[in-house]
Amino acid sequence: DAKTTQPTSMDCAEGRAANLPCNHSTISGNEYVYWYRQIHSQGPQYIIHGLKNNETNEMASLIITEDRKSSTLILPHATLRDTAVYYCIVLSGGGADGLTFGKGTHLIIQP
Amino acid sequence: SQTIHQWPATLVQPVGSPLSLECTVEGTSNPNLYWYRQAAGRGLQLLFYSVGIGQISSEVPQNLSASRPQDRQFILSSKKLLLSDSGFYLCAWRYGGVGNSPLHFGNGTRLTVT
Repeated sequence: DAKTTQPTSMDCAEGRAANLPCNHSTISGNEYVYWYRQIHSQGPQYIIHGLKNNETNEMASLIITEDRKSSTLILPHATLRDTAVYYCIVLSGGGADGLTFGKGTHLIIQP
Repeated sequence: SQTIHQWPATLVQPVGSPLSLECTVEGTSNPNLYWYRQAAGRGLQLLFYSVGIGQISSEVPQNLSASRPQDRQFILSSKKLLLSDSGFYLCAWRYGGVGNSPLHFGNGTRLTVT
């Protein structure tokens, strides 16, 4: 599976959009991009995933570049409860393999 | 809708004692099931996964084992706990046979070995 690179930490003001970048320059054609977050002492929470088209759900939007080498997770109106570690993971479809979590980005929402 | 249950939420066990953590999934059939561990201040490590009853794949050799006696039941066990087994244990599921299905995690068991 392709490796991902994320900033170690980011700050965002409450009420503003939080844009979390992820580089996955070695992604292959059948690999999906998944985003999860983990709030302290809880299990990871699934946010969104996509292959090549931009995706949006009730939690966030996922923007994938045309060459698929990077993506951005957008939380449109960040709240204090969005403070968490955010993980960007790449995994090929069609298998039963589990997700491999890296170190993620610690997003801190400032009041 | 599908739900995943893990118990207990917290557990304190002495070194050398046995361990049994249970995970069950409701609302779906033939899910893929996973056990992860997160040591204090560390990342999530995949321990085992299963695509069906009695089918277990081990990702990391250690003194832990997993079993899947029923379709929606996944058990993590140890005969003798080590101090290094302390951590946050998470069970997860995804739809079997749907390649891009996301994993969904339970609330975890925090194990402290003393």
